[in-house]
Amino acid sequence: DTGVSQDPRHKITKRGQNVTFRCDPISEHNRLYWYRQTLGQGPEFLTYFQNEAQLEKSRLLSDRFSAERPKGSFSTLEIQRTEQGDSAMYLCASSLFPGTGHNEQFFGPGTRLTVL
Amino acid sequence: QQQVKQSPQSLIVQKGGISIINCAYENTAFDYFPWYQQFPGKGPALLIAIRPDVSEKKEGRFTISFNKSAKQFSLHIMDSQPGDSATYFCAASRDAGGTSYGKLTFGQGTILTVHP
Repeated sequence: DTGVSQDPRHKITKRGQNVTFRCDPISEHNRLYWYRQTLGQGPEFLTYFQNEAQLEKSRLLSDRFSAERPKGSFSTLEIQRTEQGDSAMYLCASSLFPGTGHNEQFFGPGTRLTVL
Repeated sequence: QQQVKQSPQSLIVQKGGISIINCAYENTAFDYFPWYQQFPGKGPALLIAIRPDVSEKKEGRFTISFNKSAKQFSLHIMDSQPGDSATYFCAASRDAGGTSYGKLTFGQGTILTVHP
């Protein structure tokens, strides 16, 4: 399968614990995005990378959140001192820039985080 | 700030009918408008997209209509099938024209149910 993959698919943690999610983009894609989706809502942008460089961060991304893409391939999203409000689906997407010239982003299956 | 407003929240259609979902945007800098389909427990899948230089784009049973002056666009699903039952999201972005243009802004989603 050559699509975007995410690991783990589900994570249950206790409030105050740290969690880390991984995203592997489509192999030739140089842009990688993180979004958060809560129940009944559309995905909300968190941050994105072009190769290793983090180009934009949303105001939603508090100091407890950090994302890395050290070698320009896979990316990790870490949440420190989790809160119940962090419970959501965390989606990763990738795209090829400039590619076709259109912002075609392809999403992974997501990581469902539940904070107890 | 909700920059993309989507309606209706839910839609029930009989098999063979036409499903219509509408979106309105505020940011006139947006120039790429994709629609995504999401099944429960899955990530969003790119369905069809349009740029404002055309007023309509058709791919199979799916058509996007775009009204630049009204800042509105809509998805039409012809001959709706039970397998089309999913959540549909419209989105908008500035296209792949610069380093800060990558994020997608999503609508709130429409839950489509197609009865057999």
